Amino acid sequence: QKEVEQDPGPLSVPEGAIVSLNCTYSNSAFQYFMWYRQYSRKGPELLMYTYSSGNKEDGRFTAQVDKSSKYISLFIRDSQPSDSATYLCAMSAPQAGTALIFGKGTTLSVSS
Amino acid sequence: ETGVTQTPRHLVMGMTNKKSLKCEQHLGHNAMYWYKQSAKKPLELMFVYNFKEQTENNSVPSRFSPECPNSSHLFLHLHTLQPEDSALYLCASSQVYGDPYEQYFGPGTRLTVT
Repeated sequence: QKEVEQDPGPLSVPEGAIVSLNCTYSNSAFQYFMWYRQYSRKGPELLMYTYSSGNKEDGRFTAQVDKSSKYISLFIRDSQPSDSATYLCAMSAPQAGTALIFGKGTTLSVSS
Repeated sequence: ETGVTQTPRHLVMGMTNKKSLKCEQHLGHNAMYWYKQSAKKPLELMFVYNFKEQTENNSVPSRFSPECPNSSHLFLHLHTLQPEDSALYLCASSQVYGDPYEQYFGPGTRLTVT
């Protein structure tokens, strides 16, 4: 079983839809959880991060962590064509130092 | 220039060539990283430098040789690569070594090995 599983998609939605992106993981030591957004021909940029369990909201984006289920989610409300990108989940455990373990990324396309 | 820059943006090289990738960060950070992003695979950490000293080498083949002359510059020297080394090579930096939240990525170098 891979450490981090993420459905690569592609996921296509109409403008204004609510998007749900998910990752599952196997390492219960993970404490830091991140979502990166990567536009075509660009490097990843940090979108949101959470520590341990719970929810975090930032504008149209909400990140959720359920450590009991080893499951994290990113919700995008009122999706826009500018949200079209690849979304990467990443996580790390304190004792692993700098190692960020990434998912493969989910490609999202929002049509107007 | 701002953020993290990488040159060249695209590189095509034969298996017997020697080339170098360059990364420069303009953020005043102390830690720099090389990642490999292959199609259909997760990002893989290759090397980490903290204050110019290599702190991590994740079992990367010796045909990849990193160099960090100062905290702002990072190089990846390439020689006798294989076609499976074709990928997007990303450089990142962070203020603090080990900071899981604040890694800033460059745009990457798209490498094709023929």
